[in-house]
Amino acid sequence: SQQGEEDPQALSIQEGENATMNCSYKTSINNLQWYRQNSGRGLVHLILIRSNEREKHSGRLRVTLDTSKKSSSLLITASRAADTASYFCAGSGNTPLVFGKGTRLSVIA
Amino acid sequence: DAGVIQSPRHEVTEMGQEVTLRCKPISGHDYLFWYRQTMMRGLELLIYFNNNVPIDDSGMPEDRFSAKMPNASFSTLKIQPSEPRDSAVYFCASRTGTGNNSPLHFGNGTRLTVT
Repeated sequence: SQQGEEDPQALSIQEGENATMNCSYKTSINNLQWYRQNSGRGLVHLILIRSNEREKHSGRLRVTLDTSKKSSSLLITASRAADTASYFCAGSGNTPLVFGKGTRLSVIA
Repeated sequence: DAGVIQSPRHEVTEMGQEVTLRCKPISGHDYLFWYRQTMMRGLELLIYFNNNVPIDDSGMPEDRFSAKMPNASFSTLKIQPSEPRDSAVYFCASRTGTGNNSPLHFGNGTRLTVT
């Protein structure tokens, strides 16, 4: 399916360090999207990378996509306590977005 | 832009009672989605609409669940009768119809507790 599966399930780092989260999916996609969810809130769209792109940047976020391996990674550089949240990926094709269980990131000040 | 609005934010009810969750999508969005989130199963897609028409309800767990979208600015998800295993956070999301490249906009969810 186009469902994203995030890895690791949980990640704890010190403020200022970089955080890397990975995503895998099973079928062809048109694009892959990353979302963030703060506690008690809905998901918020972070970044979209198209299937013909290999890397994309947005502020402190860097996303890579390897369609041959059906995988993506999200890198958050110089993390802050405010980055503490769950992060989800989902591949988009002809069907609605299906999400995995996410990566819970804790940034310790 | 007020975003996707869901109500109520919290709902506590007893088993067997009817529960109705409400959603107002962002104006101009053609697609509306209902998701359910639990620790065990993560985010599950329940049903989605395009231009007020249900397109895929294969994620609706049982006949106890029903969803409607009477107009472009309102949708409901109803559970009748409710059961303790329905306890979860229910999210509504909407997006424009400009292909699958448009991002989803989520509401802040309704936390349902069935005792």
